[in-house]
Amino acid sequence: NAGVTQTPKFQVLKTGQSMTLQCAQDMNHNSMYWYRQDPGMGLRLIYYSASEGTTDKGEVPNGYNVSRLNKREFSLRLESAAPSQTSVYFCASRPSGTGIFEQYFGPGTRLTVT
Amino acid sequence: QQPVQSPQAVILREGEDAVINCSSSKALYSVHWYRQKHGEAPVFLMILLKGGEQKGHEKISASFNEKKQQSSLYLTASQLSYSGTYFCGTEPSGNFGNEKLTFGTGTRLTIIP
Repeated sequence: NAGVTQTPKFQVLKTGQSMTLQCAQDMNHNSMYWYRQDPGMGLRLIYYSASEGTTDKGEVPNGYNVSRLNKREFSLRLESAAPSQTSVYFCASRPSGTGIFEQYFGPGTRLTVT
Repeated sequence: QQPVQSPQAVILREGEDAVINCSSSKALYSVHWYRQKHGEAPVFLMILLKGGEQKGHEKISASFNEKKQQSSLYLTASQLSYSGTYFCGTEPSGNFGNEKLTFGTGTRLTIIP
């Protein structure tokens, strides 16, 4: 049981390049999230997916697109990277339904855009 | 709008107690608490729900004042392993099933021997 995995761990991009951050979970969770974390800003939600085939914008969606490919995988795409997107990106998942459920975070992707 | 955490940073000697507060301008359905060590992912500590239900680790305690839209995390007899940044995440009332959290900017806790 690997939990939430993210690839790559580190990435350096030039302004204008595109890339996709991958996230997968093996806990059969319905809900998945993408956050970015900048110094002094805490975690800010980029996109959320309640189930396969559904996505919803968070606080800071501009410049990003997401795909919930299946129940396990939730990818985040930067179409044209900008220096302002330099950040640490965390993916998380959470069960849904009746009960009290916490979010489980992946190890993060450290992205630098030059 | 982000919840406000206080203090922003605190330094304790091992064995001392600390309280970290989280305050929201919105009515809340739930408050989540996570701890993050440098370079690592956030780790779950506690969830408190409107109505009194809660779930969390045995050695962690917290409170949730629904009327004041505030939560506090209590760290007693602190250990070196408690060092890290503590985040609260809030879920607005009326959003049951929405499951989107808004996180505060964090409280950095340093425990010294």
